[in-house]
Amino acid sequence: DIQMTQSPSSLSASVGDRVTITCRASHSISRSLGWYQQKPGKAPKLLIYAASSLQSGVPSRFSGSGSGTDFTLTISSLQPEDFATYYCQQSYTSPRTFGEGTKVEI
Amino acid sequence: QVQLQQSGPGLAKPSQTLSLTCAISGDSVSNNIVAWNWIRQSPSRGLEWLGRTYYKSKWYNDYTVSVKSRVTINPDTSKNQFSLQLNSVTPEDTAVYYCARSSSGWFDAWGQGTLVTVSS
Repeated sequence: DIQMTQSPSSLSASVGDRVTITCRASHSISRSLGWYQQKPGKAPKLLIYAASSLQSGVPSRFSGSGSGTDFTLTISSLQPEDFATYYCQQSYTSPRTFGEGTKVEI
Repeated sequence: QVQLQQSGPGLAKPSQTLSLTCAISGDSVSNNIVAWNWIRQSPSRGLEWLGRTYYKSKWYNDYTVSVKSRVTINPDTSKNQFSLQLNSVTPEDTAVYYCARSSSGWFDAWGQGTLVTVSS
């Protein structure tokens, strides 16, 4: 299975901050990487797919980059509704696997 | 807009079978460009993909190795839904279970989640 490792596991930030989360795959996955946002008691929500494509309806302050084994999710200006846990997920091969999550706190 | 509505018991006894159903609206379980998945989430395992069913001229299934001997995911075309059965459950199977649609490997629609506790 492809292992996905995220860093940091948590971070503290303020409204308006630029936030960067990284995800590393144990093997090259080309650009087969997605990012999800999860709020307490809710299902994850797809933000970014294919490493850098913005899912419909997702604000443009979210962006993704990377290829191969190293990927980044950036929130350009953190908003109050962005405090949540973020997960990466590879779709390169089965089984689909997720990172352990990064909790973004105030 | 696709919506997924989960149903099923929130409690299962050890060694018994966990059964959940996911009703689909706004799409078809027979749609040949998507797959229908079950994913679970627990503090110890994080987000874990369990398996999927999908239709491409015929029905296919694909399961993760860790539960492959115990899991079945079935489509029900008459009711436009799909189900999860997990046999011989233990307390380690306690988790929030989600159904989800995937397109090109991305989970773009999710059910509301069902907390299933395995306890006697």
